[in-house]
Amino acid sequence: KAGVTQTPRYLIKTRGQQVTLSCSPISGHRSVSWYQQTPGQGLQFLFEYFSETQRNKGNFPGRFSGRQFSNSRSEMNVSTLELGDSALYLCASSPDRSHEQYFGPGTRLTVT
Amino acid sequence: QKEVEQNSGPLSVPEGAIASLNCTYSDRGSQSFFWYRQYSGKSPELIMSIYSNGDKEDGRFTAQLNKASQYVSLLIRDSQPSDSATYLCAVILGGTSYGKLTFGQGTILTVHP
Repeated sequence: KAGVTQTPRYLIKTRGQQVTLSCSPISGHRSVSWYQQTPGQGLQFLFEYFSETQRNKGNFPGRFSGRQFSNSRSEMNVSTLELGDSALYLCASSPDRSHEQYFGPGTRLTVT
Repeated sequence: QKEVEQNSGPLSVPEGAIASLNCTYSDRGSQSFFWYRQYSGKSPELIMSIYSNGDKEDGRFTAQLNKASQYVSLLIRDSQPSDSATYLCAVILGGTSYGKLTFGQGTILTVHP
């Protein structure tokens, strides 16, 4: 089975712009979670989607949003980028009735 | 108190030794516990999950869970230089917390030849 894929892998944006990141889960996985990883804060949960519904949300400002499509692919959007948004953004998928999460390679976002 | 705490590193062990990684969590109602390995520049890779008190073995890895003490550990036997990585403890806090893993800060392990 193919693993979780994320696009793009690297991105450079300017402060104030917006960005959309994409995640395709492992085939058959309907749950997709998003995380932000920074050296200072570590791995922090952003949100989780299951069957196109957001079931859980972390403590991030409203500039961070996401959605999930009927094929379980997910996108996250960050509007009005700030320098502090520079991070590795990871998505993970999980099979039904399991809490085990499998991570994609991540998208490295740099905000200048 | 942090929700998930790992023993401070870095941890350095000689090749062939046992590496012991520890993690404590704050929420007594937590039921699901995971260990991830993250190589530099890569994403986390799931290596163990444990849900019941006691030991769970998978090859050279053993996860140990003690819910009464709110403690989970990972033992790596016969450590190899390829085990050098950051090890992340992750917990699903509380009863049901859909899709939300809470991570410790990670322990950097170095296995030297």
